[in-house]
Amino acid sequence: EVQLVQSGAEVKKPGESLRISCKGAGYKFTNYWISWVRQMPGKGLEWMGRIDPSNSNTDFSPSFQGHVTLSADKSISTAYLQWSSLKASDTATYYCARQVSLNWFDPWGQGTLVTVSS
Amino acid sequence: EILLTQSPGTLSLSPGEGASLSCRASQSVATRNLAWYQQKNGQAPRLLIFGTSSRATGIPDRFSGSGSGTDFTLTIGRLEPEDFAVYYCQQYGNSPYTFGQGTKLEI
Repeated sequence: EVQLVQSGAEVKKPGESLRISCKGAGYKFTNYWISWVRQMPGKGLEWMGRIDPSNSNTDFSPSFQGHVTLSADKSISTAYLQWSSLKASDTATYYCARQVSLNWFDPWGQGTLVTVSS
Repeated sequence: EILLTQSPGTLSLSPGEGASLSCRASQSVATRNLAWYQQKNGQAPRLLIFGTSSRATGIPDRFSGSGSGTDFTLTIGRLEPEDFAVYYCQQYGNSPYTFGQGTKLEI
């Protein structure tokens, strides 16, 4: 079964750093880009960016460029989303998703809730 | 950036009825580049339709997609209780990929 398993919920303070993970299983991890999607509380889906795990090439939405970092470790089939200095406005659920043939997203990870509060 | 506008924002229907959800793009989207996702409360989104009209694996045939250019539709025939959720359209032809704001289908 193809699946993406994300790391658990995080509670952080403003200014702290954070890295969350997304581990692929059941398929060849380097054959598919991984996208990251933000969902703020009670709101819709926002595409943040994507990474090609085979070579770590990235592509960002202008709204998120420079605010987050994407990386991947193909040896352990894991992609990462990282912040160097969190803000309260980063509070959201973050999903990773496999991009099929550079197209639609399937499957999605279960989501990681990040709460940033002083 | 391609803006997707979904309507209505909320659709109130009963089990057994049919539903029609609209997704309008700010510029033309190739039919191969439009998907629909379903998100139930507290769950991750799930792919329903890709390439405008192709159902994903395991999706019942009461779900169908259609459209072209700037106007796309998700149709659900004979609603089941488990269909009440939020539905999002997405275009993946041009970066940045964009989602509609969602249509909530409620009982």
